[in-house]
Amino acid sequence: AQKITQTQPGMFVQEKEAVTLDCTYDTSDQSYGLFWYKQPSSGEMIFLIYQGSYDEQNATEGRYSLNFQKARKSANLVISASQLGDSAMYFCAMREAPNTGNQFYFGTGTSLTVIP
Amino acid sequence: EPEVTQTPSHQVTQMGQEVILRCVPISNHLYFYWYRQILGQKVEFLVSFYNNEISEKSEIFDDQFSVERPDGSNFTLKIRSTKLEDSAMYFCASSEATGTEEKLFFGSGTQLSVL
Repeated sequence: AQKITQTQPGMFVQEKEAVTLDCTYDTSDQSYGLFWYKQPSSGEMIFLIYQGSYDEQNATEGRYSLNFQKARKSANLVISASQLGDSAMYFCAMREAPNTGNQFYFGTGTSLTVIP
Repeated sequence: EPEVTQTPSHQVTQMGQEVILRCVPISNHLYFYWYRQILGQKVEFLVSFYNNEISEKSEIFDDQFSVERPDGSNFTLKIRSTKLEDSAMYFCASSEATGTEEKLFFGSGTQLSVL
């Protein structure tokens, strides 16, 4: 089973509108972290926001917020007031409890296009 | 903010040649990783490295791949005999610790093209 599922290969949003990018995850661990990264066309991976499995409040970072629904195992990214510079690939990722590998699991990404 | 640096940004090589991709992780970080991303596809884990040895490696990381920390700052990925399917963006990453809250800091990547 996939650890991280992003079901939206591409999304469009009008400039200044809000958009939600979906992410569901699969883990049997109680302790895990959820992350969103942005990858613009230049290729680098930029950290956006983090949500811990024990956090009771949804994480927010400026225009980014994470809609965390633990029972549904979803961690959707909400971008408010979209800007043209938000056009990029967005990856959801998960880190499970420390293990020898400590690797991240990434989803397949969602390509967001902001329309002027 | 401190950053992970990778060189070169682009590497073109002939099939069968050896390539070395270089990375300088953030100086106080202890855990190092290589990931790759084939064009338009997901980011795939290759290997993690801690205390001068491999912690975990994926199925992709076969005998053609090796990693090394030759000095106190560099972290390298070597592909011994490149194949066409090794063409991808290779990301180096580092983290300070391994808690679930620890984000990975990524370099800007090396785009490897095997001809």
